[in-house]
Amino acid sequence: AQSVTQLGSHVSVSEGALVLLRCNYSSSVPPYLFWYVQYPNQGLQLLLKYTTGATLVKGINGFEAEFKKSETSFHLTKPSAHMSDAAEYFCAVSEIQGAQKLVFGQGTRLTINP
Amino acid sequence: DVKVTQSSRYLVKRTGEKVFLECVQDMDHENMFWYRQDPGLGLRLIYFSYDVKMKEKGDIPEGYSVSREKKERFSLILESASTNQTSMYLCASSPPLDRGRGNTIYFGEGSWLTVV
Repeated sequence: AQSVTQLGSHVSVSEGALVLLRCNYSSSVPPYLFWYVQYPNQGLQLLLKYTTGATLVKGINGFEAEFKKSETSFHLTKPSAHMSDAAEYFCAVSEIQGAQKLVFGQGTRLTINP
Repeated sequence: DVKVTQSSRYLVKRTGEKVFLECVQDMDHENMFWYRQDPGLGLRLIYFSYDVKMKEKGDIPEGYSVSREKKERFSLILESASTNQTSMYLCASSPPLDRGRGNTIYFGEGSWLTVV
C-alpha cells in the first residue's frame, strides 16, 4: 500500500525567504508523485508532478521538487517566498496503472510573514 | 481548460436525510473520483469510477454510494446523513493513464457539507 507523510502541518516563512515543504512517501512500486496547492475556498490545483526521467521537476509559480528514490522523498522548494504563496499544500502519490488513484499526505499550511 | 463542476458549494442537511452531491466534467474523462477532505487528514478517497456504470470503493466508502449513469456525471450519495459526514467533498476527473507521463487529475472547487 502507498502512503505519504508531510512533515509539519504548519510552516511559516518570511517574504523573500526559502520555502521548503517536506514530503516522504512509501510505495512498493515506482510511484508517480504530485504536489497540489489549495487556496482558501478553492479546489486543488496541480503545482508539479514527477513521472519518469529527470528527478528535478519544475512547476508553476516558481516551485520545484526533487525526487530522491534513496530517501523516498519529494520535497517542494521555492527560492523566494511571495505573499501570494500562502495556501495549503498537498503531496500525493499514485500507482502507475489503472485509474491512478491519488493517496494524499495530510497537508501543510504555508504562512508568509511580511 | 478542463472544468470539473460541483453543483453545490455549501449545503446544510439534517441527520438522516438522503444527500446527493453532483459533479460534472466537460473533458470526456474516463476516470472520476470523490474525495473527502478533513483538517489534519488530507484527502481520502471515497469512491472512484473508471467507466460508465462502473464503480470501485476507495479507502472510506462506508456510509456512501455513487452513481455514474453518464460519462460526464458522477454523483455521491449519502444514504442517511450523519454528523460525522460533515466535511468538504472534492470531485476529480482524469483521462486514461498515459504511462511514462502520468496524468493530471483535475479537481472541482469542493462542496462544503454540514450535517446538523
